[in-house]
Amino acid sequence: QQQVKQSPQSLIVQKGGISIINCAYENTAFDYFPWYQQFPGKGPALLIAIRPDVSEKKEGRFTISFNKSAKQFSLHIMDSQPGDSATYFCAASPNSGGSNYKLTFGKGTLLTVNP
Amino acid sequence: EAQVTQNPRYLITVTGKKLTVTCSQNMNHEYMSWYRQDPGLGLRQIYYSMNVEVTDKGDVPEGYKVSRKEKRNFPLILESPSPNQTSLYFCASSPWASGTRSYNEQFFGPGTRLTVL
Repeated sequence: QQQVKQSPQSLIVQKGGISIINCAYENTAFDYFPWYQQFPGKGPALLIAIRPDVSEKKEGRFTISFNKSAKQFSLHIMDSQPGDSATYFCAASPNSGGSNYKLTFGKGTLLTVNP
Repeated sequence: EAQVTQNPRYLITVTGKKLTVTCSQNMNHEYMSWYRQDPGLGLRQIYYSMNVEVTDKGDVPEGYKVSRKEKRNFPLILESPSPNQTSLYFCASSPWASGTRSYNEQFFGPGTRLTVL
């Protein structure tokens, strides 16, 4: 059973456009929602994260929007640049003592930003 | 430089030949984990370790073993590899998150691409 559903699988955006990646979850115990960015040949790296206490978090061109009632969260990349071309993974972690280390990942979105 | 290292980076082997993929971190992190990444399936956790001598199964542990004898090392062992274990493997580490609702970034290694023929 997939606990974090991510869409789309791939996305092509023109330079300067907005990239939007969506994720949905079922487990109400999830309490931490990070996004990881992975460039070809590299390991994933934390991009931005949010907790359900807030509905939005912004860091530079990257924004997470969070809808607790709908159990959905999304990543928005404003003014997308060719250097943003990468695979993006949403993830979720429960708040349960040591289990707050356990990340469940979405299947990933391959973003291509054309110049 | 703070980092997670994995060796080897690439490995081609044959069915049934035991192999070990090493993982080492120099950040004094308590938590370490192994993931496999497959096209269309994302990242799936194999095993994790909360500290030395403490390990537990993740979502896809079948066919794998781990050990945590030292804080910095967390090797992944495939005792009898099979073709369905052909994958890209990542090791990750994280510092201890004290208390509930305390989360820390997981730092990933560069990956090991394994092919089992």
